[in-house]
Amino acid sequence: DQQVKQNSPSLSVQEGRISILNCDYTNSMFDYFLWYKKYPAEGPTFLISISSIKDKNEDGRFTVFLNKSAKHLSLHIVPSQPGDSAVYFCAALSENFNKFYFGSGTKLNVKP
Amino acid sequence: NAGVTQTPKFQVLKTGQSMTLQCAQDMNHNSMYWYRQDPGMGLRLIYYSASEGTTDKGEVPNGYNVSRLNKREFSLRLESAAPSQTSVYFCAIATGASYEQYFGPGTRLTVT
Repeated sequence: DQQVKQNSPSLSVQEGRISILNCDYTNSMFDYFLWYKKYPAEGPTFLISISSIKDKNEDGRFTVFLNKSAKHLSLHIVPSQPGDSAVYFCAALSENFNKFYFGSGTKLNVKP
Repeated sequence: NAGVTQTPKFQVLKTGQSMTLQCAQDMNHNSMYWYRQDPGMGLRLIYYSASEGTTDKGEVPNGYNVSRLNKREFSLRLESAAPSQTSVYFCAIATGASYEQYFGPGTRLTVT
């Protein structure tokens, strides 16, 4: 059973608007969360992360929000750009800091 | 994907054949990982190595073996390939401090 879930396989957004990608997890012992971006025929690249002691982390146009009580995190991209079109994976780090658990990904399409 | 190389990029095998996927890094990181990516499943951890000389099973280790040859190299072996092992395989490395993972470009494997 997947411990990290991304329930939206795809999302389409107009250029300049906000993109919100969601992720849920089941294991309350997860302490660190990451978002990765993946273009076709390439490996994923790290985007942004958040520790469980925080509820928000911001890096330029990208902000990750963490709601521990709901076991939910989200990635906000503002403003969205066509170059942001990619598959986004959320990941959680196990409590022994050795294993990463990935969601199934959300394909974002930003329309010009 | 600078710093993590994978060979080969593409491979077609017949059922029952064996092969080894190679991964090498030049970033001097301790931890190395092998993942497989399947449609709708995200990335699933096959094996990982927290340091030279150690390896541990991930979520989906059956049908695979690994070798951490030295700090730079981590190989994944399929002893008797099966069609269910058709997938894209990614090698990744991570530091112990920042938890970010750096991924290689992937190996696309088809087993007929």
